[in-house]
Amino acid sequence: AQTVTQSQPEMSVQEAETVTLSCTYDTSESDYYLFWYKQPPSRQMILVIRQEAYKQQNATENRFSVNFQKAAKSFSLKISDSQLGDAAMYFCAYRSATNQFYFGTGTSLTVIP
Amino acid sequence: GAVVSQHPSRVICKSGTSVKIECRSLDFQATTMFWYRQFPKKSLMLMATSNEGSKATYEQGVEKDKFLINHASLTLSTLTVTSAHPEDSSFYICSARALQGVEAFFGQGTRLTVV
Repeated sequence: AQTVTQSQPEMSVQEAETVTLSCTYDTSESDYYLFWYKQPPSRQMILVIRQEAYKQQNATENRFSVNFQKAAKSFSLKISDSQLGDAAMYFCAYRSATNQFYFGTGTSLTVIP
Repeated sequence: GAVVSQHPSRVICKSGTSVKIECRSLDFQATTMFWYRQFPKKSLMLMATSNEGSKATYEQGVEKDKFLINHASLTLSTLTVTSAHPEDSSFYICSARALQGVEAFFGQGTRLTVV
């Protein structure tokens, strides 16, 4: 089974600064998808960004970008110009070829004013 | 993104009773729905996967007779916690994916408290 590892249980960043959240995964598949989801205190899971494994170009969504290293099985999330509203739990997720989703243990991000 | 509505958001029930949680995809046809359980400050634990019109596939360790999942239509899946016990108290989240969809969209979650 695929595993997703987030080695940073907690992170903090100053407002307007940049922070990078780490994620690694283990798989033998060549075709898959990776995601970052955000879970604010409301507990609603929100999709932040996604990456198709077959694409070499790193995905970008406004202030959010990823560093996808397929050979290293690494998928980090960079948040630029951090805002107070970015404070949340962030989950890295892997979607397998059989459409199963696997989630990491999460990173709690604090944004310091 | 697509909208998934989960109801109720909070429910309190007495030990021994059953409670039903609904998950609806409002603007797309959800061929696959997932049910998760999340403990405080923990990750999402997949309980089961349901495909419309088929029996749900339960993860190892999840009691299928206790957590009844029905996915009778392309827009609705339900999770019924039968004979609830205090240890079933948790946050339950559903997500849904369209047939050709890539990502899963999540409901708001249900906080279940069994007293």
